[in-house]
Amino acid sequence: GEDVEQSLFLSVREGDSSVINCTYTDSSSTYLYWYKQEPGAGLQLLTYIFSNMDMKQDQRLTVLLNKKDKHLSLRIADTQTGDSAIYFCAETSSGGYQKVTFGTGTKLQVIP
Amino acid sequence: EAQVTQNPRYLITVTGKKLTVTCSQNMNHEYMSWYRQDPGLGLRQIYYSMNVEVTDKGDVPEGYKVSRKEKRNFPLILESPSPNQTSLYFCASSLMRGVNTGELFFGEGSRLTVL
Repeated sequence: GEDVEQSLFLSVREGDSSVINCTYTDSSSTYLYWYKQEPGAGLQLLTYIFSNMDMKQDQRLTVLLNKKDKHLSLRIADTQTGDSAIYFCAETSSGGYQKVTFGTGTKLQVIP
Repeated sequence: EAQVTQNPRYLITVTGKKLTVTCSQNMNHEYMSWYRQDPGLGLRQIYYSMNVEVTDKGDVPEGYKVSRKEKRNFPLILESPSPNQTSLYFCASSLMRGVNTGELFFGEGSRLTVL
């Protein structure tokens, strides 16, 4: 079945850029997502990218998609302590978006 | 306020004692789903429902049941809980009709411990 992989942990200093990486196996992915989970809370959609796009920018967030290598990344510029959270990569295929596959999540720690 | 509400948020129970985790959404979403979150495994889908009276198995359905009698509610039932069902559970919903990105709206989670 589909697989989405992420590293488990990332630590950065406040003010630096964070880059969270994700690889996926489903070549028919249509939407790819980044969800953020703050401590004690559910997941919230941070941003998404459609599979025919290479890049999407939204304020401090930049999403890069390399469809050939099935690699997705999320860059957070000027990382703040409030960005400390778990970030989940997720994808859905053209088979129906009800089947969303999540990665293991990357815990981002921002050091003041 | 648009939201997905789960209850209880925290529960400690014993092996074999039936329990139900309720989930309700007020956004008139057709699609609802249950996930469990375990360290190092991310979110895994248990069951999902695309509309009233329509439910399907996800990746890890064993030991769980669901029902969808009304559009807004999607309870998760553990008929005979076992310790390997100790986990953090999330309910989510999504709009299906029209042009949309498939964004999932999540509840705040229910932490279940089975002794």
